[in-house]
Amino acid sequence: QLQLQESGSGLVKPSQTLSLTCAVSGGSISSGGYSWSWIRQPPGKGLEWIGYIYHSGSTYYNPSLKSRLTISVDRSKNQFSLKLSSVTAADTAVYYCARAPFEYYFDYWGQGTLVTVSS
Amino acid sequence: EIVMTQSPATLSVSPGERATLSCRASQSVSSNLAWYQQKPGQAPRLLIYGASTRATGIPARFSGSGSGTEFTLTISSLQSEDFAVYYCQQYNNWPLFGPGTKVDIK
Repeated sequence: QLQLQESGSGLVKPSQTLSLTCAVSGGSISSGGYSWSWIRQPPGKGLEWIGYIYHSGSTYYNPSLKSRLTISVDRSKNQFSLKLSSVTAADTAVYYCARAPFEYYFDYWGQGTLVTVSS
Repeated sequence: EIVMTQSPATLSVSPGERATLSCRASQSVSSNLAWYQQKPGQAPRLLIYGASTRATGIPARFSGSGSGTEFTLTISSLQSEDFAVYYCQQYNNWPLFGPGTKVDIK
């Protein structure tokens, strides 16, 4: 059974960089045909897709976040990571990692991790 | 740019009753539409993809229909565990979620 687990700092100061990692177990991130995404959900609000990466390193980002965003993959550790720079309070959210067949629907999700942007 | 809308925002239903949730896209997304269920404190769970295909392990009381711009999720007989928020998501281009419909107990 595939499992995804987010980790990283739960508190980030305004203007700094948010960094999260998603560890994948029960399957290989190098398996073809899947993309690996970050999705976030502000408290009490809906879901926003952030971006995805393939095991090859190819990425596609939400245009609204693209200028601040870097998603990378470490195949040796079977994990992928998110960096979001110049954060503000609007970036406070539960951040999920998820898998999708190609760029389609999300069939496996991590449990989510709350990141709060505050001084 | 595609805009996703869902209606109603809140649906109050008695256990055992049928629930019908709507999702609309501002332009055609073909059948590239998924539905998710989210309970408080949990990650979303995939229910339906391809507009009408149930995901693995999803009970038959959940069904999806539609194509193009109009989609429907039907829960034929609501169980206590079905009270949750439901999101649609198009994947015709980059992933975009609707704002959600909360199904609560009447």
